[in-house]
Amino acid sequence: AQSVTQLDSQVPVFEEAPVELRCNYSSSVSVYLFWYVQYPNQGLQLLLKYLSGSTLVESINGFEAEFNKSQTSFHLRKPSVHISDTAEYFCAVMNYGGSQGNLIFGKGTKLSVKP
Amino acid sequence: KAGVTQTPRYLIKTRGQQVTLSCSPISGHRSVSWYQQTPGQGLQFLFEYFSETQRNKGNFPGRFSGRQFSNSRSEMNVSTLELGDSALYLCASSFGTGTGIYNEQFFGPGTRLTVL
Repeated sequence: AQSVTQLDSQVPVFEEAPVELRCNYSSSVSVYLFWYVQYPNQGLQLLLKYLSGSTLVESINGFEAEFNKSQTSFHLRKPSVHISDTAEYFCAVMNYGGSQGNLIFGKGTKLSVKP
Repeated sequence: KAGVTQTPRYLIKTRGQQVTLSCSPISGHRSVSWYQQTPGQGLQFLFEYFSETQRNKGNFPGRFSGRQFSNSRSEMNVSTLELGDSALYLCASSFGTGTGIYNEQFFGPGTRLTVL
């Protein structure tokens, strides 16, 4: 069965520093990949997604993620973080082509940006 | 376009009681999925409804059930509440179901259930 591993439960970083949040998934079958962000007391917001095509995907607020099929990874990066990026980030996978369209989530990474 | 709405936002119940949570999807969306979020287990899929039929179910006991109405609104019910049912329950809607053609899921703000 598909599973998602987020290697770091918490990542503290200073403002304007680069950050990488790591995500690996278990199954090599065709997948869609996602990063969601959750701010305190809110639901999930889609940050970016990989469906097909270019393996590098970008969000409107400066995050990017690269799909690496051989390493079954989809790490999230930002070259310079802001205080407002403080939130919990979830990596998720959806197996492609099935009748079951549920998302399989990692346990989340809490990004804490300090001034 | 209004987003996914969930009611109530907060709920406090005692063990043994039952609870019903409601989700209204984005207009035009016919699929509703439910997820449970807890600090220990993270986000776990409960079930998905499409056109009033349960299409997919996660690994939860039978105390957790749901339904979908003809207007695509969905409810989930938890009977005989246990302390471990305390969680944030998230609803997500999408236009279709399955992944042959990708259907993006849009999440609501969640209902925070506390069981005392």
